[in-house]
Amino acid sequence: DTEVTQTPKHLVMGMTNKKSLKCEQHMGHRAMYWYKQKAKKPPELMFVYSYEKLSINESVPSRFSPECPNSSLLNLHLHALQPEDSALYLCASSQKPGGIHQPQHFGDGTRLSIL
Amino acid sequence: AQTVTQSQPEMSVQEAETVTLSCTYDTSESDYYLFWYKQPPSRQMILVIRQEAYKQQNATENRFSVNFQKAAKSFSLKISDSQLGDAAMYFCAYNGGNEKLTFGTGTRLTIIP
Repeated sequence: DTEVTQTPKHLVMGMTNKKSLKCEQHMGHRAMYWYKQKAKKPPELMFVYSYEKLSINESVPSRFSPECPNSSLLNLHLHALQPEDSALYLCASSQKPGGIHQPQHFGDGTRLSIL
Repeated sequence: AQTVTQSQPEMSVQEAETVTLSCTYDTSESDYYLFWYKQPPSRQMILVIRQEAYKQQNATENRFSVNFQKAAKSFSLKISDSQLGDAAMYFCAYNGGNEKLTFGTGTRLTIIP
C-alpha cells in the first residue's frame, strides 16, 4: 500500500473542462511535489511546496494551478488543458525540504487524458 | 547543472541470475545522495536503494546492491537472484540539495522465466 494517496486514478477531460487532482499523505512530511511523466520517460518536476509554500515552479503553464491547503494535502487544478498535457501525474512527498538524504515517496499517479 | 545518464534503455536477465544496471552522473557538488527507483507497470515509483556520496561503503538492501565509484561518478545497481517481480523500469536519480531530484532516462528490465 502506498503512503501517498492520489485521486482519481484515471481522468478523462475535455479541453474546456475544469478538474482537480488530489494528493494526500499522513507521514508528517513537509515537502510535496508534482511531477508530469510521459510514456517511457522519466518524471519531470512541475512544482515543489516547502512547509505549505510554493518554493519551485518549473515554468509550468498557468493552466496548471497548484494548491497546498495544509501540510497533508496537495491539489493540482486543471483548466483549459491541451492534448499534449495527457500524461501520468505523480505526487511525491519527503520529510523535510532540502534534506538530500531523504527519499521522495511517490503515489500511484493519476493517468490524465485530454480529449 | 547536474545530469544523470543511463546508457542501457533495455536489459533482460534470466530468472535467478544477476544483472547490473549502469548509471553515471555529472556534478560539481561534494555532498549529494544517489537513488535507484523502480517503476513497475502499476506506475508507482518505489525506492530501491540509496547511497550517500560521503560513504565509501556500498549500500545493500537484500538482493539489491550498488557499486558506487565517486571518482568515476558511476552508480550501478546489481540485482542478484532476479525474480519475476523485479520486472520494471529502473530510474537512477541524483539529489544535490536544491529540492530537485534529477532522473536518468531509465532502463527497462525484463525477467525471462
